[in-house]
Amino acid sequence: GQQLNQSPQSMFIQEGEDVSMNCTSSSIFNTWLWYKQDPGEGPVLLIALYKAGELTSNGRLTAQFGITRKDSFLNISASIPSDVGIYFCAGLPNAGGTSYGKLTFGQGTILTVHP
Amino acid sequence: KAGVTQTPRYLIKTRGQQVTLSCSPISGHRSVSWYQQTPGQGLQFLFEYFSETQRNKGNFPGRFSGRQFSNSRSEMNVSTLELGDSALYLCASMNFLGNEQFFGPGTRLTVL
Repeated sequence: GQQLNQSPQSMFIQEGEDVSMNCTSSSIFNTWLWYKQDPGEGPVLLIALYKAGELTSNGRLTAQFGITRKDSFLNISASIPSDVGIYFCAGLPNAGGTSYGKLTFGQGTILTVHP
Repeated sequence: KAGVTQTPRYLIKTRGQQVTLSCSPISGHRSVSWYQQTPGQGLQFLFEYFSETQRNKGNFPGRFSGRQFSNSRSEMNVSTLELGDSALYLCASMNFLGNEQFFGPGTRLTVL
């Protein structure tokens, strides 16, 4: 099925470094969501974006909803070992019709943080 | 507020068997979506239920089915299991505005 183009696929960084990842789509989304997934667990919602151009922070995390509504990025500042995991972007189109409850996901970015 | 719960957490079945997974959404949430997660395909949407009605369905064969009860709890069923059905099955509960989904811990299904 359709997936968002998420990059990079993986990142190996040193503790304290900043991280940036992004997602692009050929389709417009009305909502962008960023999740983190630990091994064997379900994704945990980190940040939700509802409006084109919106910039939202959650602690050391900052995410932006692209102006075209076809892209989003997530930044993590001053990374720490517990940031390790897989980060997913997800898009939600207009509610209704074939889009009810259907998130479209990126392939994920695997983040490794070396102490 | 309690999160999304899924039972069981782990299941091992053999080919040809059927399986039923259960999901209880966040209290007050009426929409439940199901996803299949595999290393090869990532997270794929199965279906969504709202007030006991299936409103949306992904591109999965008819062996995959679901239902929702009046208390918003949902079940999904997979009949005639195949090896390729081995996956993490995730249930997500959607908020009233329909713009955020919260996931349960998943059920890890292994088909032998």
